[in-house]
Amino acid sequence: DADVTQTPRNRITKTGKRIMLECSQTKGHDRMYWYRQDPGLGLRLIYYSFDVKDINKGEISDGYSVSRQAQAKFSLSLESAIPNQTALYFCATSALGDRGQYGYTFGSGTRLTVV
Amino acid sequence: KNEVEQSPQNLTAQEGEFITINCSYSVGISALHWLQQHPGGGIVSLFMLSSGKKKHGRLIATINIQEKHSSLHITASHPRDSAVYICAVSGGGADGLTFGKGTHLIIQP
Repeated sequence: DADVTQTPRNRITKTGKRIMLECSQTKGHDRMYWYRQDPGLGLRLIYYSFDVKDINKGEISDGYSVSRQAQAKFSLSLESAIPNQTALYFCATSALGDRGQYGYTFGSGTRLTVV
Repeated sequence: KNEVEQSPQNLTAQEGEFITINCSYSVGISALHWLQQHPGGGIVSLFMLSSGKKKHGRLIATINIQEKHSSLHITASHPRDSAVYICAVSGGGADGLTFGKGTHLIIQP
């Protein structure tokens, strides 16, 4: 099994629908992140969590919400999907390494299309 | 906010060529990361470095902290190296990573 698992891998949904993207990890990392990737823009941070009781907005949080159900699970919700939320979404985890720097592990991505 | 610039945006080369991808950033960092993304695939971490040079197989990453610049080199390039290579930085006052826009590399047989 992958260290960071995202479900679903692909999803097509209609405008106005609520959708949840799920992320689970077996790394035992405290820090988890949701990023969005758009062509020509690179990855941008949506939300992040440093532990179960900690949730923080990132650069582009409008229209999204998250839930950290457990150390290993971090879900991203689109309350009312709109077409410009069509993108590739990545979950990532991080932990402090031996040299005092944070190493990152990424999931395989969820390709979301809003029609 | 850290600005991360990569060059070139696109690179097509012949198999066997020596490849260099550059990354510069604007604010001091704690670490710089080189990532690889294959078409339709996830993102894999290649290197994390804060000084000097690291080597893994045919891949070499260097960083110059004073000049705020890093390079990723691929020796004896192969078609399987075709991917998007992404530079990202951590620290510099931001949580998480700040990413460059990526370099799309194609190695032709």
